[in-house]
Amino acid sequence: EEYLVESGGGLVKPGGSLRLSCAASGFTFLTYSMNWVRQAPGRGLEWVSSISNGGHYIYYTDSLKGRFTISRDNAENSLYLQMNSLTAADTAVYYCTRSKKAYADPDYAFDLWGQGTLVTVSS
Amino acid sequence: DIQMTQSPSTLAASVGDSVTITCRASQSLSLRLAWYQQKPGKPPILLISDASTLESGVSSRFSGSGSGTEFTLTIRSLQPADFATYYCQQYNTYSFTFGQGTRLEIK
Repeated sequence: EEYLVESGGGLVKPGGSLRLSCAASGFTFLTYSMNWVRQAPGRGLEWVSSISNGGHYIYYTDSLKGRFTISRDNAENSLYLQMNSLTAADTAVYYCTRSKKAYADPDYAFDLWGQGTLVTVSS
Repeated sequence: DIQMTQSPSTLAASVGDSVTITCRASQSLSLRLAWYQQKPGKPPILLISDASTLESGVSSRFSGSGSGTEFTLTIRSLQPADFATYYCQQYNTYSFTFGQGTRLEIK
């Protein structure tokens, strides 16, 4: 069975940094584009970032202003999100997701989601 | 960025009813629209992609239609498990915008 398991969330002070990880299993990770989506408490879904299967094409939502960096290690079947200069507005559950079509750009529906990891930014 | 507007924001219905949720895009998406279901404390589940393609394992009571800027999700014969929040999402451009969600409640 196919799984995505996020880790690395927690409580961090404003201005701090955090690195999220997502471990993939049950499918050929290196053939799929991957994404991060977040959901603030009681709010809707917000796409954060996407990375192509080979890691060569990367996209971010405009509002991040260069604070986040997405990366992947295909040898380790892992996706990462480095988050810097965190603010209270970044408080959310962060989901790792897979783009549906293999060997393609990220711009497909997200067909596999992890359970999410909670990031709380507070002093 | 493309704006996605879902309506209604909240919908009350009874078991056995049929309901329709609408999603409008600020510019044409062709067919590049998905629908997700989310229950409290759980990640979303992909129901429909490419506006009308039902995902494997999803009940045929769910159907999607539309193209361009207007799309609908219809759920026939509502079951207790269907009461959840539904989101549309465009993937025509790299902003992957989601609608604000429609909360489907039991009447």
